[in-house]
Amino acid sequence: EIVLTQSPGTLSLSPGERATLSCRASQSVSSNYLAWYQQKPGQAPRLLIYAASSRATGIPDRFSGSGSGTDFTLTISRLEPEDFAVYYCQQYGTSRTFGHGAKVEIK
Amino acid sequence: QVQLVESGGGLVKPGGSLRLSCAASGFTFSDDYMSWIRQAPGKGLEWVSYISSRGVTTYYADSVKGRFTISRDNAKNSLYLQMSSLRAEDTAMYYCARGFEFWDFWGQGTLVTVSS
Repeated sequence: EIVLTQSPGTLSLSPGERATLSCRASQSVSSNYLAWYQQKPGQAPRLLIYAASSRATGIPDRFSGSGSGTDFTLTISRLEPEDFAVYYCQQYGTSRTFGHGAKVEIK
Repeated sequence: QVQLVESGGGLVKPGGSLRLSCAASGFTFSDDYMSWIRQAPGKGLEWVSYISSRGVTTYYADSVKGRFTISRDNAKNSLYLQMSSLRAEDTAMYYCARGFEFWDFWGQGTLVTVSS
């Protein structure tokens, strides 16, 4: 099983700042089959990024994904108030596994 | 617009069974693979199972293999998860979602609690 480790566990930032979230895989993710989701309390997850860097339909361009192999990054260029949430990475190259999540909280 | 509405959750004793349903609308259900994903209270996400568009191919996480069965009725635009031999660790919110690699639409979930 591919284990995904997200860091940091919690990121404390102010609106307007840049957020950088890391997702490291225990082995190479084939074809960069990695997705990112946002989840707010009491809500279902929302797909942000797939194939490491492709934005899902309707996702603002302040969200971007990058990386390959075992190291992936989700960047939010300028945090809006609605972006404070938990973010999960997920790989679909070998079965399907999620990272444990990273919380972006208001500083 | 795409809508996925789960139902069938509830409280069940260890060793018991439960059948979850997911009613789909707003897209051509029979064209898409579908999945179940769960989230234990206060925890992260875990993929459970997926089924191909015609229901021919199914896959399961090791944690539920042999106990859960995914199925679908394309005439009714519905997805199902039959859960048996339930354990305390199956307690979670169960989400129905479109897709099988990544998931672009999710329902709001139905809560399953396994407790005596």
